Amino acid sequence: EAGVTQFPSHSVIEKGQTVTLRCDPISGHDNLYWYRRVMGKEIKFLLHFVKESKQDESGMPNNRFLAERTGGTYSTLKVQPAELEDSGVYFCASRGPGNSPLHFGNGTRLTVT
Amino acid sequence: SQQGEEDPQALSIQEGENATMNCSYKTSINNLQWYRQNSGRGLVHLILIRSNEREKHSGRLRVTLDTSKKSSSLLITASRAADTASYFCATDAITDSWGKLQFGAGTQVVVTP
Repeated sequence: EAGVTQFPSHSVIEKGQTVTLRCDPISGHDNLYWYRRVMGKEIKFLLHFVKESKQDESGMPNNRFLAERTGGTYSTLKVQPAELEDSGVYFCASRGPGNSPLHFGNGTRLTVT
Repeated sequence: SQQGEEDPQALSIQEGENATMNCSYKTSINNLQWYRQNSGRGLVHLILIRSNEREKHSGRLRVTLDTSKKSSSLLITASRAADTASYFCATDAITDSWGKLQFGAGTQVVVTP
C-alpha cells in the first residue's frame, strides 16, 4: 500500500507570506494527525482529524494556522501569515481503526526567511 | 516541560556493538512507543509497549518499561550501519486519545562499519 505522502518536501518563503502544506494519508485511514518539529526541539502534536472532523486541535499554536480535511481524504495545513518561528519540519501521520500505530509521512521542511 | 526525554542525546558505536538509549516521562501513560527517523525521512514505528508490560522484544530490539520510575529503555543488539538514525520515544497520556503522542527530543545514533 502507498504510504503517507506530503507535499511539498521543502518550502522556502518570506515572512508574511502564505504557505499551504498537503498530506495524503494511507487510503482508508480515518485518523489523520499533524505534528511539527521546530528548531531541533521535540516533535509536537498539532491536531487530529477523524474523517473530516477536527477531533483535537489543542496543539495548534495560534490562529495563523488553519487545517482542513474536506471530504475526509487529504488534509491541508495553511500558515498565513508565516513568521520566522514557524520554520521547522511538519509531519503528517495517519492510522487505521482501533489502537493501531501511526504511519508518518516524510515531512515538509518549511523555512521562513 | 517535555513528556519524553531521551538519554543520551547522541551515541556513536561500531557495527556489532549494542546500543542502549533511555527515555523518561512525567505523566501516567497508556503506552510508550519507539520510533526511528532516518535523515530526511518520516518516523517509522518500531515497537509499542503497554503500561502493564515490563519488557518486549522485536527482532534485535528490546524495550523495557518501568512505570514506577516513569522510564523506558531501547536496546538494539548487534547494531548495523543501517541502524544509523534518530530514535524517539513517544508516550500517550491516559488523559489523551490514542495517537496524540508526546515525543522526546531523540537520540541520534551513528553506527560505523
